[in-house]
Amino acid sequence: SQQGEEDPQALSIQEGENATMNCSYKTSINNLQWYRQNSGRGLVHLILIRSNEREKHSGRLRVTLDTSKKSSSLLITASRAADTASYFCATDPYISNFGNEKLTFGTGTRLTIIP
Amino acid sequence: DTEVTQTPKHLVMGMTNKKSLKCEQHMGHRAMYWYKQKAKKPPELMFVYSYEKLSINESVPSRFSPECPNSSLLNLHLHALQPEDSALYLCASSPGLAGGPRNNEQFFGPGTRLTVL
Repeated sequence: SQQGEEDPQALSIQEGENATMNCSYKTSINNLQWYRQNSGRGLVHLILIRSNEREKHSGRLRVTLDTSKKSSSLLITASRAADTASYFCATDPYISNFGNEKLTFGTGTRLTIIP
Repeated sequence: DTEVTQTPKHLVMGMTNKKSLKCEQHMGHRAMYWYKQKAKKPPELMFVYSYEKLSINESVPSRFSPECPNSSLLNLHLHALQPEDSALYLCASSPGLAGGPRNNEQFFGPGTRLTVL
């Protein structure tokens, strides 16, 4: 089964509004990462949050992590048309202290910004 | 150079053909990945090479054969594919487990769009 489930599956908002997408996962993790994918292209790494962190910012992105609820959220503020893309969370499951090369991707949220 | 390159961008092949996908990175990364992605789905991991050794094979059919000639190159050899193998094939790299505490963010190439007729 999918490690990460994201909601909503699709989100359409007006340019300038904030977009929030959520990710839930099932097992303990080392870290959680968010990626963006423009249509038919490769994924771009956005941000990584470690299991001992609760919040992280990068430009217009804000990520929160609640390990007790096994959930994360990605907030994009002041959205732009160029933010239109699919967004995936990816978890690094905790197996050992040596980290893990295998990430498990969530189902993704398709974000559309309406100009 | 912070890029992962993939060739070709598009590939159309018949079920009896043999073809190869190529991936290259010059970031000094020691882990490289092949993913398969169907439309509107997340990437599915196929193979992981760590320090040029195959470390993960996600029960991929033998008609897909990976090869890692050196730390910068990754190939995926294709033979006797089926139409359901049509997908976007993504290559990625990451620093490897020695890159720092769980520093496993992945850098993706643009993908090869494969169509099997």
